[in-house]
Amino acid sequence: DAKTTQPPSMDCAEGRAANLPCNHSTISGNEYVYWYRQIHSQGPQYIIHGLKNNETNEMASLIITEDRKSSTLILPHATLRDTAVYYCIVRVVSTGNQFYFGTGTSLTVIP
Amino acid sequence: DTGVSQNPRHKITKRGQNVTFRCDPISEHNRLYWYRQTLGQGPEFLTYFQNEAQLEKSRLLSDRFSAERPKGSFSTLEIQRTEQGDSAMYLCASSSRDSEYFFGEGSWLTVV
Repeated sequence: DAKTTQPPSMDCAEGRAANLPCNHSTISGNEYVYWYRQIHSQGPQYIIHGLKNNETNEMASLIITEDRKSSTLILPHATLRDTAVYYCIVRVVSTGNQFYFGTGTSLTVIP
Repeated sequence: DTGVSQNPRHKITKRGQNVTFRCDPISEHNRLYWYRQTLGQGPEFLTYFQNEAQLEKSRLLSDRFSAERPKGSFSTLEIQRTEQGDSAMYLCASSSRDSEYFFGEGSWLTVV
């Protein structure tokens, strides 16, 4: 699976959009981009995933560049409860292979 | 609650003792994964089951570690002769074919 690069930390004002970038320049055509987050002392929580097209769900939006070498997770209206470590992962689906987590981005939402 | 369940949530043990963690996945999920996480690091893959078959093991899984999933439902992770370096959170996740992982809340191990 391709590696990802994320900034180690970011701040965001409460109520504003949080935009978390991820670089995955070696991504293959059959690899999906997944985002998880982990709130302190809890298990990681699935947020969203996509292949080529932008995706949106009740938690977030995922914007994938046309060349698929980078993506951005958008939390439209950040709340204090969104303070967490966010992991961007690329993975081939249907093979059962595991997710490789890096160190992620620690997002702090500031009141 | 139909999520992934892990027990015990916290375990303190003396060095050299054996410990066992249990994971109950989401019932219809045939894939089960164990991860280990230390402070400041992301989760690290340990092992993967598809039904009862253990299909992959990380080199992190030394011979003191053993995992089983005897009937393709719950799984156990046993650590023998624990060492202080084993102190970590042990995470279990399950998935069905092609779906995302669902993680449990983890089992914290402290070896003193």
